[in-house]
Amino acid sequence: AQKITQTQPGMFVQEKEAVTLDCTYDTSDPSYGLFWYKQPSSGEMIFLIYQGSYDQQNATEGRYSLNFQKARKSANLVISASQLGDSAMYFCAMRGPNTGNQFYFGTGTSLTVIP
Amino acid sequence: DTEVTQTPKHLVMGMTNKKSLKCEQHMGHRAMYWYKQKAKKPPELMFVYSYEKLSINESVPSRFSPECPNSSLLNLHLHALQPEDSALYLCASSQVSQALELYYGNTIYFGEGSWLTVV
Repeated sequence: AQKITQTQPGMFVQEKEAVTLDCTYDTSDPSYGLFWYKQPSSGEMIFLIYQGSYDQQNATEGRYSLNFQKARKSANLVISASQLGDSAMYFCAMRGPNTGNQFYFGTGTSLTVIP
Repeated sequence: DTEVTQTPKHLVMGMTNKKSLKCEQHMGHRAMYWYKQKAKKPPELMFVYSYEKLSINESVPSRFSPECPNSSLLNLHLHALQPEDSALYLCASSQVSQALELYYGNTIYFGEGSWLTVV
């Protein structure tokens, strides 16, 4: 069975500092995709970044980077130079052969950026 | 701005009402999804359409009825709902790749959601 774990229910970070949001996963499939989404209080789920299981390089998108450690089965999101607008829920998700069209979502981390 | 648009943004309905949520995407995606999300929880998959055909129904009660009139549109018809059905309903879409190595990288793009309150 697939499983995604986010162990940090809530995180605080000072504006302009970097923050790491943890995500670990459990799968026996060799092929899978890992995704991070941001959900502000308005409700929209915003796609941030993707990492494929066979990708050699860690994914980066602007201020977002994914620290992918395949052997440890972790895919942590790093946000650099935090901004007040980064305050939101962040979900890690996985998709693999046995999930079909489904994403497995973690329970989420609530990030608050402090001025 | 999101390329998946949902209407209405907010809906309040009585338990005897019939209403519909609508979703539209113009990204050429051939998979469309309905998710339900309760406060402070991750989204839960309800339905998946692939090439306009229902491919996954996650044992959703029949008071929720999905419809995919064409490749760009997805509706969710609501009838005789219960107060516990109050939630954020998210529509999403993605490409469908035939090549396995690409399949798992198909990002799901979400709309802004419809906030439903059943009274």
